Amino acid sequence: AQTVTQSQPEMSVQEAETVTLSCTYDTSESDYYLFWYKQPPSRQMILVIRQEAYKQQNATENRFSVNFQKAAKSFSLKISDSQLGDAAMYFCAYRTTGANSKLTFGKGITLSVRP
Amino acid sequence: DTGVSQDPRHKITKRGQNVTFRCDPISEHNRLYWYRQTLGQGPEFLTYFQNEAQLEKSRLLSDRFSAERPKGSFSTLEIQRTEQGDSAMYLCASSSGLAVSTDTQYFGPGTRLTVL
Repeated sequence: AQTVTQSQPEMSVQEAETVTLSCTYDTSESDYYLFWYKQPPSRQMILVIRQEAYKQQNATENRFSVNFQKAAKSFSLKISDSQLGDAAMYFCAYRTTGANSKLTFGKGITLSVRP
Repeated sequence: DTGVSQDPRHKITKRGQNVTFRCDPISEHNRLYWYRQTLGQGPEFLTYFQNEAQLEKSRLLSDRFSAERPKGSFSTLEIQRTEQGDSAMYLCASSSGLAVSTDTQYFGPGTRLTVL
């Protein structure tokens, strides 16, 4: 079974600075998808960024980028120029390439942004 | 397109009562998922529909839980004889299912259940 581990329960960053959130996963599959989701307080979860395992190039979405290390099974999220609106819980998630695209989530990390 | 909606947003019930939650997916999304999220944890998969067919159920979905998607549109999740351990946020997500490579799940705001 696949597992996703987020070992840092909380992190804090100064506004306009850069922060990196860590995630590791375990799988025996060679092809899969990885995601970072953001869950603001009392608001619904939204997709931040996704990475296909077969792609060597790291995904980027504006201020958000990932460092995908397939051999190490590591998938970290970098947030540049942090903004107050980035404060939220962030979940790392894994999905197989099979027909049932259920997501396997980590425990999440709470990010706070200091003004 | 108003996104995935869930009703009610909050439900407080007494142990032993039955509760039912509703999820309305994004229109024309043929895949619908239910997840459960307890405090301090990430969401855990419960069950999955492709149109009206329930294709997979997690071991977390005990016999007290039942989910339906009768016309391939909205879905309901019923919990019978609720227990305090059922207290959680129940999340619904939908996706278009057009292609696995681009399939993205969009989440609703969740229903927070408190069992007294």
